[in-house]
Amino acid sequence: RKEVEQDPGPFNVPEGATVAFNCTYSNSASQSFFWYRQDCRKEPKLLMSVYSSGNEDGRFTAQLNRASQYISLLIRDSKLSDSATYLCAVSSFTGGGNKLTFGTGTQLKVEL
Amino acid sequence: DGGITQSPKYLFRKEGQNVTLSCEQNLNHDAMYWYRQDPGQGLRLIYYSQIVNDFQKGDIAEGYSVSREKKESFPLTVTSAQKNPTAFYLCASRPPPGQGLNEQFFGPGTRLTVL
Repeated sequence: RKEVEQDPGPFNVPEGATVAFNCTYSNSASQSFFWYRQDCRKEPKLLMSVYSSGNEDGRFTAQLNRASQYISLLIRDSKLSDSATYLCAVSSFTGGGNKLTFGTGTQLKVEL
Repeated sequence: DGGITQSPKYLFRKEGQNVTLSCEQNLNHDAMYWYRQDPGQGLRLIYYSQIVNDFQKGDIAEGYSVSREKKESFPLTVTSAQKNPTAFYLCASRPPPGQGLNEQFFGPGTRLTVL
């Protein structure tokens, strides 16, 4: 089983739709959780950190469920500019220090 | 401007040659990381360094080498022993403990093609 798993998509949604992505992780000792956005042929950019209590940033809401070991990202009122690949990332400590493990990403296409 | 820079943006190499990718940051971050990204496989960790003069192998270190002689710089050498070096290489750094949640910030990447 992969450490971090995401549905690769693509999710094709009309402009204005609400779309949700899930990401599951296998290491119960994982400490921090993030969503990154990656545009085609560009570097990933941090979208939001995910807190246990959930957090919201404008149209974006992230949730963490430690019991079921998954994080989610909800995008409301989708815009064409939201089209990108969304990567979840999970932080854990190893003997060598802190590492992030990334999912393979979920591709979102917002259409007119 | 503070940030992470990688050079060059595109790199072409003949099979059998070693090549070094540059990564520099002026964010005063201690920890730095190298990943490669292939289509459909997400980011895979090659090497990371928590502090100057120290580094650790990641999940796919074979065929790669690094050095960390300065806090600002973490160059990656792709050696001729790397079987499939064509990929998108990303460098990242992480703020010190207490200044975040262990998130990482990425440079713009180097796209390496072996001919």
